[in-house]
Amino acid sequence: GENVEQHPSTLSVQEGDSAVIKCTYSDSASNYFPWYKQELGKRPQLIIDIRSNVGEKKDQRIAVTLNKTAKHFSLHITETQPEDSAVYFCAASMDSGGSNYKLTFGKGTLLTVNP
Amino acid sequence: KAGVTQTPRYLIKTRGQQVTLSCSPISGHRSVSWYQQTPGQGLQFLFEYFSETQRNKGNFPGRFSGRQFSNSRSEMNVSTLELGDSALYLCASSLGTGLKEQYFGPGTRLTVT
Repeated sequence: GENVEQHPSTLSVQEGDSAVIKCTYSDSASNYFPWYKQELGKRPQLIIDIRSNVGEKKDQRIAVTLNKTAKHFSLHITETQPEDSAVYFCAASMDSGGSNYKLTFGKGTLLTVNP
Repeated sequence: KAGVTQTPRYLIKTRGQQVTLSCSPISGHRSVSWYQQTPGQGLQFLFEYFSETQRNKGNFPGRFSGRQFSNSRSEMNVSTLELGDSALYLCASSLGTGLKEQYFGPGTRLTVT
């Protein structure tokens, strides 16, 4: 089955710096890659996603890049703010005629943004 | 639109008992997936239901089961509870066709003593 590795497990940055979290996946058939943000005691929230027919996607301060050949994808947060502090999870899933909704998650990255 | 809701939010059970958790998806969503979240194993997929049928299943023992009703609400059941079943159980809803965005509920925190 699919295996998703996520690095680093913890990341500390100064407010205003950029943060990058990287994930690799094992199944070349995976074609959907969402990122979730989970604040302490809260539910995971979808912040951005990318499909395998796209190499990069941006939404304000957040961007995701995908390298299908190398089977890795990354989350980039620019101009970080203290409210960006949370655990971030990457995930991957494979499309089987539109009927596969099994997300395989990375272990998460605890991002701390220091004021 | 109202978000995904889960009941109960907290539950304490004794080893050997069984438990049923409930999930109501976003209105119009027909797919409900269940995940187990623990500090050691992270987020792990349990199963997914669409139109009252289980479409996908993760690597959990048969003690974990689920079902979906005609209004898309879903329940999961864990029988013969073990200490290791203590976890946050999250459900996520999705339209179920084409678009794959999944939106999570607040979770049910299950503690087995």
